Amino acid sequence: DVKVTQSSRYLVKRTGEKVFLECVQDMDHENMFWYRQDPGLGLRLIYFSYDVKMKEKGDIPEGYSVSREKKERFSLILESASTNQTSMYLCASSPHGVAAYEQYFGPGTRLTVT
Amino acid sequence: RKEVEQDPGPFNVPEGATVAFNCTYSNSASQSFFWYRQDCRKEPKLLMSVYSSGNEDGRFTAQLNRASQYISLLIRDSKLSDSATYLCVVKTGTASKLTFGTGTRLQVTL
Repeated sequence: DVKVTQSSRYLVKRTGEKVFLECVQDMDHENMFWYRQDPGLGLRLIYFSYDVKMKEKGDIPEGYSVSREKKERFSLILESASTNQTSMYLCASSPHGVAAYEQYFGPGTRLTVT
Repeated sequence: RKEVEQDPGPFNVPEGATVAFNCTYSNSASQSFFWYRQDCRKEPKLLMSVYSSGNEDGRFTAQLNRASQYISLLIRDSKLSDSATYLCVVKTGTASKLTFGTGTRLQVTL
């Protein structure tokens, strides 16, 4: 059974803190993605990676960075958390090639920045 | 204009009803189309792909109209378990990234 796991389900941080969100997949997928999901705005792509050490900006990369040192792990970093980064963060992975349209999502991390 | 637009609903329908959702996309170069389903407080999961000729998967039928740039999802004989948010998803370009609509919420009642 395919699996994407995220380090925390709920996280509360203070403004200005550095925040790390970790995502691990066990499917040997090349592609990994970070989204945030907000009411009325849907899923928005922050960053994605199609290989180890490779990264591409998504639609809303400002205020975020990512790291992919190993194929199975993709980290999202908020360098200095702000209240407008309070959101549900979802990680996903997919294989390369024709099956790339099927993204497998983790359960999400609900981040609150106070 | 949003790249993928959906009516947010909610669509409230009785069990056994037929319900249809539409979705429009703005980029005529979009190549591939999908419906994902997201249950309340859960992650999205692929429901089905949408082919130009239309395709069926049990009670679910997906259609694509490239000329008008819209995609539809028809659910027949609705079940309580169909209650969820349905996300219209578009793939444009060669990269593996997808663009998600904001979703249409369906509530099936007794």
